Amino acid sequence: DAKTTQPNSMESNEEEPVHLPCNHSTISGTDYIHWYRQLPSQGPEYVIHGLTSNVNNRMASLAIAEDRKSSTLILHRATLRDAAVYYCILRDGEGAQKLVFGQGTRLTINP
Amino acid sequence: DAGITQSPRYKITETGRQVTLMCHQTWSHSYMFWYRQDLGHGLRLIYYSAAADITDKGEVPDGYVVSRSKTENFPLTLESATRSQTSVYFCASSESRDRWYMTSYNSPLHFGNGTRLTVT
Repeated sequence: DAKTTQPNSMESNEEEPVHLPCNHSTISGTDYIHWYRQLPSQGPEYVIHGLTSNVNNRMASLAIAEDRKSSTLILHRATLRDAAVYYCILRDGEGAQKLVFGQGTRLTINP
Repeated sequence: DAGITQSPRYKITETGRQVTLMCHQTWSHSYMFWYRQDLGHGLRLIYYSAAADITDKGEVPDGYVVSRSKTENFPLTLESATRSQTSVYFCASSESRDRWYMTSYNSPLHFGNGTRLTVT
């Protein structure tokens, strides 16, 4: 599985946008970029995924670089409930369903 | 909307005992997974199952046994618990087809809230 690199931690303020970066320089053409987050004392939760184009849903936006070697998860207006560990994961679009988690980015939101 | 439930939520057992962690999903999802989460190691895949009676090893399968006689259940058994198996265990499920009923390898995984297991 191709690897991703994320900062260990980030901090932001409530009601401000948050940009969470992810580097995946060895991404293959069939790899999708998935984001999950894990709130304290809970299981991981799906956030968003994409292949080449930018994606939006009710939770967040995913901006994918043109060369696909990096991506950014955007929380448009962070709340205290967005404090979590965010995982950027590459998933083979032609392979098994399993996810391989890295260490993720711990996001702290200041009131 | 029960979703995916794990039981028990907390379990304390002794070294050498057999213990089974239960996982039940109400969506009839094809795929089910077991992960463990430890400080310093993150989430690691133990076993997964593509359908009833089909299981496969993940990254850390040693010391664990799984079965899947029914689509909705995926129990994880520690045959002889060891202290190194003290961890938080998460079960997950996902569909193998998207909303257009095409084979999809990108269906989200839905996780349970975990079982915290302590082996003394």
